Amino acid sequence: DAGVTQSPTHLIKTRGQQVTLRCSPISGHKSVSWYQQVLGQGPQFIFQYYEKEERGRGNFPDRFSARQFPNYSSELNVNALLLGDSALYLCASSLLQGTTTGELFFGEGSRLTVL
Amino acid sequence: GQNIDQPTEMTATEGAIVQINCTYQTSGFNGLFWYQQHAGEAPTFLSYNVLDGLEEKGRFSSFLSRSKGYSYLLLKELQMKDSASYLCAVLYNTDKLIFGTGTRLQVFP
Repeated sequence: DAGVTQSPTHLIKTRGQQVTLRCSPISGHKSVSWYQQVLGQGPQFIFQYYEKEERGRGNFPDRFSARQFPNYSSELNVNALLLGDSALYLCASSLLQGTTTGELFFGEGSRLTVL
Repeated sequence: GQNIDQPTEMTATEGAIVQINCTYQTSGFNGLFWYQQHAGEAPTFLSYNVLDGLEEKGRFSSFLSRSKGYSYLLLKELQMKDSASYLCAVLYNTDKLIFGTGTRLQVFP
């Protein structure tokens, strides 16, 4: 079975540009969460989506937005990129909204570099 | 806030035992997770605690005290491949999984 897949794996943008990152959850998983991980830090929660609705949001500016599609895949959009947005963006999927089993599966991430 | 505190770095010797501590704010607590992350890779799930006590899984064990807002990850019979970052994460109110900054463990021969 395929795990969580993310694309692109690496990308370089310049300040002010916009980026879209994509995530496909494990088949059957309905919850997708996005995290930003800056080098040397733990992942920071950005969004959680369950059944195509936003169910949680972290402390990120409105430049960050996301959506979940009927097939449960998800996109993360970041507008007006800043140098500080350079990070590894992780997508995680789980079967339920509340991860009562602890089974939160991460993709390999999309590494964004903003120049 | 929902600060999660864990040591930044630890070192240990192959074959030894190491304990990585994690403290967190208890309000809204709904479960605690430990993840392992090798450099350049995604985090992988190690353990989950929602009730007080010790959960053992092979060489790794995780302990939780909800009243104290405290957990630890115990790694036994350390191997070189255990060199990685260990992330403590707390699920708050079912919709936010908040991570600590991670503990970078280096295992020496």
